[in-house]
Amino acid sequence: DAEITQSPRHKITETGRQVTLACHQTWNHNNMFWYRQDLGHGLRLIHYSYGVHDTNKGEVSDGYSVSRSNTEDLPLTLESAASSQTSVYFCASSDSSRTYEQYFGPGTRLTVT
Amino acid sequence: AQKITQTQPGMFVQEKEAVTLDCTYDTSDPSYGLFWYKQPSSGEMIFLIYQGSYDQQNATEGRYSLNFQKARKSANLVISASQLGDSAMYFCAMREFNDYKLSFGAGTTVTVRA
Repeated sequence: DAEITQSPRHKITETGRQVTLACHQTWNHNNMFWYRQDLGHGLRLIHYSYGVHDTNKGEVSDGYSVSRSNTEDLPLTLESAASSQTSVYFCASSDSSRTYEQYFGPGTRLTVT
Repeated sequence: AQKITQTQPGMFVQEKEAVTLDCTYDTSDPSYGLFWYKQPSSGEMIFLIYQGSYDQQNATEGRYSLNFQKARKSANLVISASQLGDSAMYFCAMREFNDYKLSFGAGTTVTVRA
């Protein structure tokens, strides 16, 4: 069965370190997204990609970057982790169906100490 | 500007009763889509229901129905015959036409009481 996976599921890192969160989908979807979830804010869009080599900034992109070298993967990099980036991170993908429903990964809980 | 507003941070409902979760949205695009997702305590995001702005009928999926009032820009989720397993956070989201990304509301926590 097709799926979307994220790794690691939990990570603790120190302020200032570079961190990369992996996202891999086997749906063959062109569209991929990264969100962060914080209490009271719902899910906020960090970066997104509509195809290989395409990347775009979302509403909370400062301090994050992504690259899309193939259809399946969209890794999210925190260049220099900050305590404000402690959050739960969700990766999602969608195809070009009528509804453009997004399929979500299980999430990564990141703690920056 | 906030595109999706969910004004109910938390709600309690008795088992087997219906509950309505409010969602209002803001867009100038005549074509858009509205989604509801469920997030149980285990954390995963589960798609529940979709409503397109040009759909003639309100969407229904099993015990979930969407009360879509276009003129009021509201897309309330109705869960009928609540079950204990419905206890979760519920998010309303919107996609504007020719765009694939979603804007989410802050969510509503539903607790079903036995």
